[in-house]
Amino acid sequence: DQQVKQNSPSLSVQEGRISILNCDYTNSMFDYFLWYKKYPAEGPTFLISISSIKDKNEDGRFTVFLNKSAKHLSLHIVPSQPGDSAVYFCAASGGGNKLTFGTGTQLKVEL
Amino acid sequence: EPEVTQTPSHQVTQMGQEVILRCVPISNHLYFYWYRQILGQKVEFLVSFYNNEISEKSEIFDDQFSVERPDGSNFTLKIRSTKLEDSAMYFCASSGNTDTQYFGPGTRLTVL
Repeated sequence: DQQVKQNSPSLSVQEGRISILNCDYTNSMFDYFLWYKKYPAEGPTFLISISSIKDKNEDGRFTVFLNKSAKHLSLHIVPSQPGDSAVYFCAASGGGNKLTFGTGTQLKVEL
Repeated sequence: EPEVTQTPSHQVTQMGQEVILRCVPISNHLYFYWYRQILGQKVEFLVSFYNNEISEKSEIFDDQFSVERPDGSNFTLKIRSTKLEDSAMYFCASSGNTDTQYFGPGTRLTVL
């Protein structure tokens, strides 16, 4: 079941630069999208979300962009900080309340 | 800030034994969920619970699994007869509506 895909398993970015994490989905019924951050041995921490009626949502250093025609969303973190180093999951829901998760991208922010 | 809590943090059990994983959702939330993550794999939905009944469940959630909200604060996942392949991190989540879900820290279940 590959309804939500994160094709980059890892990303390395310098401190202060922009981190861009990407996510693609195939199910056109998805209408709500979320990004979670996860540290080892902890639960996913909610970061930011976007409804399908919008194409952008911003919260501090985090911005999520949604391109419905391409079935693509991205998370921008600017400026990136060492504390942002974690695994980032995108998740989607639609027509119900279960979340379908991607496989995650390990972000490493280097000094 | 309110948070979801889970106990125990780590549970070790023998194959065939019953386990109960416990969760305390955020107090004013109405929707409750269980997910699991097998090592190296993605987080997978197990079940959602609303108004004292299961609202949706995945194929993984077979007859060996059950959920209960025994009182006004706890939400439990029971696995009746554990198998080796049940070894995973189990995450509880809750939401106030059907949108943003907030996750607990997880219980690591190890089946020997």
